[in-house]
Amino acid sequence: GQNIDQPTEMTATEGAIVQINCTYQTSGFNGLFWYQQHAGEAPTFLSYNVLDGLEEKGRFSSFLSRSKGYSYLLLKELQMKDSASYLCAVKTYNTDKLIFGTGTRLQVFP
Amino acid sequence: SAVISQKPSRDICQRGTSLTIQCQVDSQVTMMFWYRQQPGQSLTLIATANQGSEATYESGFVIDKFPISRPNLTFSTLTVSNMSPEDSSIYLCSVESDSDYGYTFGSGTRLTVV
Repeated sequence: GQNIDQPTEMTATEGAIVQINCTYQTSGFNGLFWYQQHAGEAPTFLSYNVLDGLEEKGRFSSFLSRSKGYSYLLLKELQMKDSASYLCAVKTYNTDKLIFGTGTRLQVFP
Repeated sequence: SAVISQKPSRDICQRGTSLTIQCQVDSQVTMMFWYRQQPGQSLTLIATANQGSEATYESGFVIDKFPISRPNLTFSTLTVSNMSPEDSSIYLCSVESDSDYGYTFGSGTRLTVV
């Protein structure tokens, strides 16, 4: 089986930096994805990590440590529109399916 | 990235009835995935649909309750059968994008069973 855990909720202030953690236990790891989902909308792709290290994309960065089964999504210069749920998801070898974590609801306050 | 048209966007159904959800993709894809998202929860994979073979269901989901069709490489349907209020959820289809490693999702079907 697979366990993918995230904090349920986080709050932060506009302009600040927030780090959302994701821990996973899975066999045949083949990549980790981060998605953003606004209320009532479909998830949208943010980032993908398959090798250890940091991937940076504008205000968003994602980090992966395969040996620790750990990833984080870093959001800088937070904006009100960043209030959303953030989902990490793991892909495994021999299948192309994505298994999602529990999701983190982020609220950004002015 | 692939573009997915999913319908209906929402429906209110009587318990005991069935609803079929459709997803049309603008390009040919090998696998399509069906997810359920219960209120306030993350996405749970229901099944993987391959063209020309039976769908592969995840633990806790069975074909009699969620029959899936995949008649060609651009289309799939998910039926929610013999519905009860516990089936009230958002149902989403998804395909793997060939451009940026991400997966694309349909806009979702918000189902309410009364």
